[in-house]
Amino acid sequence: SAVISQKPSRDICQRGTSLTIQCQVDSQVTMMFWYRQQPGQSLTLIATANQGSEATYESGFVIDKFPISRPNLTFSTLTVSNMSPEDSSIYLCSVGTGTGYNEQFFGPGTRLTVL
Amino acid sequence: GNSVTQMEGPVTLSEEAFLTINCTYTATGYPSLFWYVQYPGEGLQLLLKATKADDKGSNKGFEATYRKETTSFHLEKGSVQVSDSAVYFCALTTNFGNEKLTFGTGTRLTIIP
Repeated sequence: SAVISQKPSRDICQRGTSLTIQCQVDSQVTMMFWYRQQPGQSLTLIATANQGSEATYESGFVIDKFPISRPNLTFSTLTVSNMSPEDSSIYLCSVGTGTGYNEQFFGPGTRLTVL
Repeated sequence: GNSVTQMEGPVTLSEEAFLTINCTYTATGYPSLFWYVQYPGEGLQLLLKATKADDKGSNKGFEATYRKETTSFHLEKGSVQVSDSAVYFCALTTNFGNEKLTFGTGTRLTIIP
């Protein structure tokens, strides 16, 4: 298994500002994923971040709004830009480390509230 | 595309009751199936998984069998405890290189003493 930490664990932000969320893994992994969990909803994949290449975004998510960095095999950041109250969610990173990346391990999440 | 349909919640049971949470899926290819659990205030944890037809995943008294003929992966537990109160997510991934997970909507389970 992998141990994943996220910073910050929670934050309250003002409309129009940006927040960068960090995800740190205790081992080297190729694939990292960023998800959003809106209040009372399921998880929706934002993007897949592989080291050394541009992140791949899912439909409905764009790089200008959610820029992602992946500078090495143990670290990634997700920025939520120009925030609005609709961005209030839990943001989770995960890593694929099983055989054929068949399972993912999740970080504890970052609970974001936008006022 | 891939999709997961999960039993609507919330579900409330008494302690020691039998639990079933239904999950059915549609997928291209041969998916791997998962149940994740989210305890109050915590992140997602993998509960169990099955990677091919007829496999049974099990953990902490929970079981789920990969049924290809009915495209189902129902979660069961014979005797639930208060500590099982959580949100349960059924999910799948297909082996096409980008192993993104497709999640069901989640089922909130509350166990009453």
